[in-house]
Amino acid sequence: AIQMTQSPSSLSASVGDRVTITCRASQAIRQNLAWYQHKPGLAPKLLIYAASTLHSGVPSRFSGSGSGTDFTLTISSLQPEDFATYYCLQDYNYSSTFGGGTKVEIE
Amino acid sequence: QVQLVQSGAEVKKPGASVKVSCKASGYTFRMYPIHWVRQAPGQGLEWMGWINAANGYTKYSEKFQDRVNMTRDISVGTADLELSSLASEDTAIYYCATTGGYCSGGSCYNPLDHWGQGTLVTVSS
Repeated sequence: AIQMTQSPSSLSASVGDRVTITCRASQAIRQNLAWYQHKPGLAPKLLIYAASTLHSGVPSRFSGSGSGTDFTLTISSLQPEDFATYYCLQDYNYSSTFGGGTKVEIE
Repeated sequence: QVQLVQSGAEVKKPGASVKVSCKASGYTFRMYPIHWVRQAPGQGLEWMGWINAANGYTKYSEKFQDRVNMTRDISVGTADLELSSLASEDTAIYYCATTGGYCSGGSCYNPLDHWGQGTLVTVSS
């Protein structure tokens, strides 16, 4: 099974900061990677799919990049509503795996 | 609009089984797969598997392979998750999710863009 290593597991940041989260796959997954935002009590929300395509309605401060084994989610200017936990999810070859998650907290 | 509505909270004893249902509406049910994801208290999201709503094909995570069963009923647009041999570690919120399917540059992707509200399953003696 493909393993997804996400880092960091948590980070503290301030409003306006640039934030970068990475995911590394244990084998090449082309661009079959999505990023989700998850807040307590709510269902996860899709932000990015196909590694770099912004989902409809998602603010442009979110961006994704990468291909193969290394992927990045960037929030260009952190907003108060962005404090949440972020997950990558690979769906290569009919199976899926989440990364361990990154909790973004207020500094 | 696409909606996934899940069945209510469950409390089960260790060793029992639980079935969680997911009712889909707002789209042609057989067109897109249903995935199941869970989150245990204080833990991350965990992918459990998916079912092809058209033909019933399933793909399970290796972790749950021996005790999970995913089914669907096209006539009523419902997908079910059944998990057996429950233990306290199975206490979690269980989500169903589906995808609209997106194609770009000759490739197609199936990100999970619609989610149910989640069902809390508590396993306790």
